[in-house]
Amino acid sequence: DQQVKQNSPSLSVQEGRISILNCDYTNSMFDYFLWYKKYPAEGPTFLISISSIKDKNEDGRFTVFLNKSAKHLSLHIVPSQPGDSAVYFCAARRFSQGGSEKLVFGKGMKLTVNP
Amino acid sequence: ETGVTQSPTHLIKTRGQQVTLRCSSQSGHNTVSWYQQALGQGPQFIFQYYREEENGRGNFPPRFSGLQFPNYSSELNVNALELDDSALYLCASSRQGRNEKLFFGSGTQLSVL
Repeated sequence: DQQVKQNSPSLSVQEGRISILNCDYTNSMFDYFLWYKKYPAEGPTFLISISSIKDKNEDGRFTVFLNKSAKHLSLHIVPSQPGDSAVYFCAARRFSQGGSEKLVFGKGMKLTVNP
Repeated sequence: ETGVTQSPTHLIKTRGQQVTLRCSSQSGHNTVSWYQQALGQGPQFIFQYYREEENGRGNFPPRFSGLQFPNYSSELNVNALELDDSALYLCASSRQGRNEKLFFGSGTQLSVL
């Protein structure tokens, strides 16, 4: 049972346009949502996050929107740049028994920004 | 400030063997987590260590075990390797109790033949 879903495996956009990456989740116990970017042969790097008590968080070209009633979040990149081409993972955090924190990841989406 | 480092970067083993993967946490971080990323999938939580004790575990069998040392570095041990254990193993460090993101290493690519 996949608790975090990224239903589109890939997205291709033109440089300068908006990229919108979507993510759906099923578990209401998630309290924090994060986006990670991954280049080949590297580990995931943190991009932006949002607490479950907020509906928007912005950092430069990156904005994450959270719709709790729909259990949906999206990442907007404006304007998109060729260097943004990577695999993007949506992740959700929940506290487990014993106080540990774990992230539940989606399968990822490959973004290609064409010059 | 040094980041999360993992060794080795690549490893080839045969079915039934045992493997040990190593991770050095980012400076100032006291918690380490291990994730398995199979091809075409997102990372899956294996377990987390805090104060040298396992502090949460995902859906992985007991042949996956770990250690955390006083300097917060960590090892992941996998016994009786199976073909399906072939994956990228990612180590991530953080500070326990803080609402902070995980910092990942570049991973160890394990191939089981």
